[in-house]
Amino acid sequence: QSALTQPASVSGSPGQSITISCTGTSNDVGSYNLVSWYQQHPGKAPKLMIYEGSKRPSGVSNRFSGSKSGNTASLTISGLQAEDEADYYCYSYAGSSTYVVFGGGTKLTVL
Amino acid sequence: QITLKESGPTLVKPTQTLTLTCTFSGFSLSTSGVGVGWIRQPPGKALEWLALIYWDDDKRYSPSLKSRLTITKDTSKNQVVLTMTNMDPVDTATYYCAHHLDHPYYFDYWGQGTLVTVSS
Repeated sequence: QSALTQPASVSGSPGQSITISCTGTSNDVGSYNLVSWYQQHPGKAPKLMIYEGSKRPSGVSNRFSGSKSGNTASLTISGLQAEDEADYYCYSYAGSSTYVVFGGGTKLTVL
Repeated sequence: QITLKESGPTLVKPTQTLTLTCTFSGFSLSTSGVGVGWIRQPPGKALEWLALIYWDDDKRYSPSLKSRLTITKDTSKNQVVLTMTNMDPVDTATYYCAHHLDHPYYFDYWGQGTLVTVSS
């Protein structure tokens, strides 16, 4: 199955906002509001940041928000902090045959 | 509190079969809507979903790896086992298990991961 498409890298300065895109197709992102986002620091397990497109688990900062337009989901991080520097992955339900799929990951650098 | 932990060999030879066990606590795999999945990550590369098993024994596999994977559960032992046949050096990766919710499909708790190296 094809991975969801994410930019390889994004960067921003402390205090700024950045957006990471996750582009799929009408078979996955476009058909379901079931995208989740994960943050992964080096050597650590991924951490759930957003689920069902825009919902935040308890304990996740409200600086993290999710949205969707057409076949593209987005993760926005506002008020960038040094601790936000990590890899970010999107994940989506993709129908009964492919089932689920991850994005290729985006490395966020806080300048 | 939900925890998961992966266990298995750290080194396997090419063509061998890999067997990994995920031992979990804090939830039951007999609860409706609950699943456990396996995800892997080659060094420096992206996450890749491998397989999922649900409370009702529904099993789902990555289409690209389906022929090599088997996932099973032992509800009484709180364990999920993944087997992958015909291992190759490209299968070298950190393997994670994670708690998954059916509808709306996300992994909310992850194990620490276990690095498996495939080499002769």
